[in-house]
Amino acid sequence: DAGVTQSPTHLIKTRGQQVTLRCSPKSGHDTVSWYQQALGQGPQFIFQYYEEEERQRGNFPDRFSGHQFPNYSSELNVNALLLGDSALYLCASSSRVGGSPLHFGNGTRLTVT
Amino acid sequence: GNSVTQMEGPVTLSEEAFLTINCTYTATGYPSLFWYVQYPGEGLQLLLKATKADDKGSNKGFEATYRKETTSFHLEKGSVQVSDSAVYFCALEDRGSTLGRLYFGRGTQLTVWP
Repeated sequence: DAGVTQSPTHLIKTRGQQVTLRCSPKSGHDTVSWYQQALGQGPQFIFQYYEEEERQRGNFPDRFSGHQFPNYSSELNVNALLLGDSALYLCASSSRVGGSPLHFGNGTRLTVT
Repeated sequence: GNSVTQMEGPVTLSEEAFLTINCTYTATGYPSLFWYVQYPGEGLQLLLKATKADDKGSNKGFEATYRKETTSFHLEKGSVQVSDSAVYFCALEDRGSTLGRLYFGRGTQLTVWP
C-alpha cells in the first residue's frame, strides 16, 4: 500500500519564476493538505483540498494556489517566487470520514536562488 | 487562537537516559493532540496521539498524557536509543471549524549518543 508520494524531491528555481509541486495521497484518502516547513521550523498550514475545492486556507498570499483532481491527487503552485519561499513543502492526506491522523509524504525541497 | 509551544532544543542524551520534551498548547476549541517525528531527509511520521483529557498516547516506548488542567502534552521515554535521534514535533488539531488542520510547534532536535 503506497503512502503519500510527492514529486519532485528537489527543485531549484530562480526568483520570479513559477513552480508546481505534485502529490498523490495514500490509498483510500480523499483529503489533501499542504504545509510549508522552513529550515528549523515546524510545518505551517497552507491549504486543504477536499472534493476538488479549497476548504481551508492558512496565512499565505494568493501567490500560493492549488488544485485537486478527481483521483484525489493534488498540485501546489507558487507564482513569482521569492527567496523566502525556499522550504520543504509537505503534502499530507487523510480520509474525511475517518478524519485525523494525517499521513505525510517525504516532501519537496524547493530552493529559490 | 490555536498555538503550540514546545521545549527549545537541541536535546542531547546518552543511550538509556530518560527523555522528556515539554509541550503546552492554547486552543479555542477542544483539540486532539499529537506527537510527530521527523527523521533526516524524511517527512513526518505520527508517533502517538490523544483525543481527550487524561488520555495517554503511547508507541515504541514513548508516552504522552493529555493534561487539560495544565494544557500540556509532554513526551516521555524511559530509555532512549541511538535510533531515536530525530526531530520531534508537538501538534494540535482543533476539531471545530479547522478540522484536519494541524498547528505545529517549532520542533525539538534530539540526539542520542551511544
